Amino acid sequence: NAGVTQTPKFRVLKTGQSMTLLCAQDMNHEYMYWYRQDPGMGLRLIHYSVGEGTTAKGEVPDGYNVSRLKKQNFLLGLESAAPSQTSVYFCASSSFPGQLAKNIQYFGAGTRLSVL
Amino acid sequence: AQSVTQLDSHVSVSEGTPVLLRCNYSSSYSPSLFWYVQHPNKGLQLLLKYTSAATLVKGINGFEAEFKKSETSFHLTKPSAHMSDAAEYFCVVRIGGKLIFGQGTELSVKP
Repeated sequence: NAGVTQTPKFRVLKTGQSMTLLCAQDMNHEYMYWYRQDPGMGLRLIHYSVGEGTTAKGEVPDGYNVSRLKKQNFLLGLESAAPSQTSVYFCASSSFPGQLAKNIQYFGAGTRLSVL
Repeated sequence: AQSVTQLDSHVSVSEGTPVLLRCNYSSSYSPSLFWYVQHPNKGLQLLLKYTSAATLVKGINGFEAEFKKSETSFHLTKPSAHMSDAAEYFCVVRIGGKLIFGQGTELSVKP
């Protein structure tokens, strides 16, 4: 079972460059999420999506854009990368929370991004 | 406001001794609470979850956590640490469809 797959696993960018991180899930989940993980700060929600064609801002959305054109994919874009965006990025997905007790988020392995 | 606080950024134990990772939460609602583990260079894995059923929750790898409403705590324990338990642990509260993560506790296990 693939679950949640993130590509790429590692990337180094120069300040001002752009890139897109791809998240794909094969569990037919409605909800998808992008987090960033920084030392001593846990994970913080960047953007999330409650279904195909929808996106919403999380806790730290500035400098990022997202798109959910297909249910299985959730893209995170950096239009003009800054050193402050050096972080580890995690994608997650979960089923539609009609039964909240079963609404577990499944995480990808992460993407380590360095912006020089 | 809803939040979660992990009281220790780093915990070090000897192999075979008990593990205690502390977590306090604040929530206006009956919370759903989770513990996730992250091994070095790996993604996050769910250890256990509390969703208003039994207050003592058993998870994978011998871990368990007890929900104490009066203390607003959800501490993670294991009777006997193993070297493979060395990792970072996150306490998480869920509000609606979003997760709020604690700062993380790094667990070191000495031989």
